Amino acid sequence: DTEVTQTPKHLVMGMTNKKSLKCEQHMGHRAMYWYKQKAKKPPELMFVYSYEKLSINESVPSRFSPECPNSSLLNLHLHALQPEDSALYLCASSQARGGSWGTQNEQFFGPGTRLTVL
Amino acid sequence: GENVEQHPSTLSVQEGDSAVIKCTYSDSASNYFPWYKQELGKGPQLIIDIRSNVGEKKDQRIAVTLNKTAKHFSLHITETQPEDSAVYFCAPYQTGANNLFFGTGTRLTVIP
Repeated sequence: DTEVTQTPKHLVMGMTNKKSLKCEQHMGHRAMYWYKQKAKKPPELMFVYSYEKLSINESVPSRFSPECPNSSLLNLHLHALQPEDSALYLCASSQARGGSWGTQNEQFFGPGTRLTVL
Repeated sequence: GENVEQHPSTLSVQEGDSAVIKCTYSDSASNYFPWYKQELGKGPQLIIDIRSNVGEKKDQRIAVTLNKTAKHFSLHITETQPEDSAVYFCAPYQTGANNLFFGTGTRLTVIP
């Protein structure tokens, strides 16, 4: 199983709502990532979890709150978002973060959650 | 941080022709050079990668060449097919670094 799954596929929320995005992988990967992708732009890294610990937060506003309950799951909790937060949110995983040669660097991406904030 | 640029930003080719996309990066410490393909409605998928101790790598119709001195690497697709139509991203990376910077992206359209 080389698949990263994300739910929901689409999400529409108001600025006062609280919602969560979910990501799951069963490849035994120990690094998981959240990216934000605006239309016609490259993915931008938001958070990195390595061995279930947050290792990178790319100065993301606190209205985005990541959580890694176990090595297979990654959540992104959303609260009081702004319309400019509307984007495709991608989850990815890799065997490990960093490391040397080999396949550790390859990131496997999920299909993303298309988020619209009204 | 890493400054990564791709050229061209859009590319249209006739089916069967070749396509070449170039990625230029700024961080001389980068030592892993992947190319990702993103089809409509999907996340990026790795299609080929190369490490800094290799100058060229080929996998069927796709190949990647690396010029570490000049700090650029290129994706080559031969005998293009309509299913090659997608956005392609490079993402040069230093193993052990904190971040993965994607290039600006190239939209490839293969005209049947």
